[in-house]
Amino acid sequence: DSGVTQTPKHLITATGQRVTLRCSPRSGDLSVYWYQQSLDQGLQFLIQYYNGEERAKGNILERFSAQQFPDLHSELNLSSLELGDSALYFCASSVDPHNTEAFFGQGTRLTVV
Amino acid sequence: DQQVKQNSPSLSVQEGRISILNCDYTNSMFDYFLWYKKYPAEGPTFLISISSIKDKNEDGRFTVFLNKSAKHLSLHIVPSQPGDSAVYFCAASRQGNLIFGKGTKLSVKP
Repeated sequence: DSGVTQTPKHLITATGQRVTLRCSPRSGDLSVYWYQQSLDQGLQFLIQYYNGEERAKGNILERFSAQQFPDLHSELNLSSLELGDSALYFCASSVDPHNTEAFFGQGTRLTVV
Repeated sequence: DQQVKQNSPSLSVQEGRISILNCDYTNSMFDYFLWYKKYPAEGPTFLISISSIKDKNEDGRFTVFLNKSAKHLSLHIVPSQPGDSAVYFCAASRQGNLIFGKGTKLSVKP
C-alpha cells in the first residue's frame, strides 16, 4: 500500500459526459501529480500541484482540469469525454516538488462508451 | 519526440541470474532518474532513484547505474526472483515533470 488513495477504482460513462477523479496523497506529501496511461502509450504526465498551486503542466487537454484543495487532496475533472479518453488515470504524491520519489495510487480505470 | 526510451519491450531471465534493464534519454537537463515496477491493475511502485550528480546507487538487490555522457541508465537486479516479474518503467525528472519510458516487461523463470 503506497498510502495514495484514488477513487473510484472503475468508472464507466458515456461520450460527452463529465467525471471527477479523486486523489488523497500520502500523509505529509505536498505534491500531487496526475498521469494518464492509455493502452498503447506509456505513462503520460498531465499536471502537478504543490501545496495548492499548479506547478507544472504536461500533455493535459483543455477539456481536462485539476485542482488541489487546502487539505491537499486533488481532483481531476474530465469533460466532454471522448472514446479516446478511456485510460488508466494515476495520481502520485511526493514530499518535495521535484518528484525525486513519487508514490502512486492504484489508479482509476475510465471507460468511455 | 520521446525523451525517455526503453528500447526492449520485454526481457526473459532465469531465476538467480542478473536482470539488466536499459533506458536512454535525450534531455541533458534531467536532474533525477527513477525506476518503477508495475504489476497489472496496480499503480507503479517506486524502486530506486539516482541523482544526475551520481553514477551509481544501490539498494539491496537493485542497483542503478547512470552514464551521463552516453545519456544512458540501467537497472541491475541480482539475483533475479520470480516475484520480480513485472513491467519496469524508467522515468526522468526535471522540475517535477516526470517523464516515463514505455516500459520493459521482465519475466523471471524458475
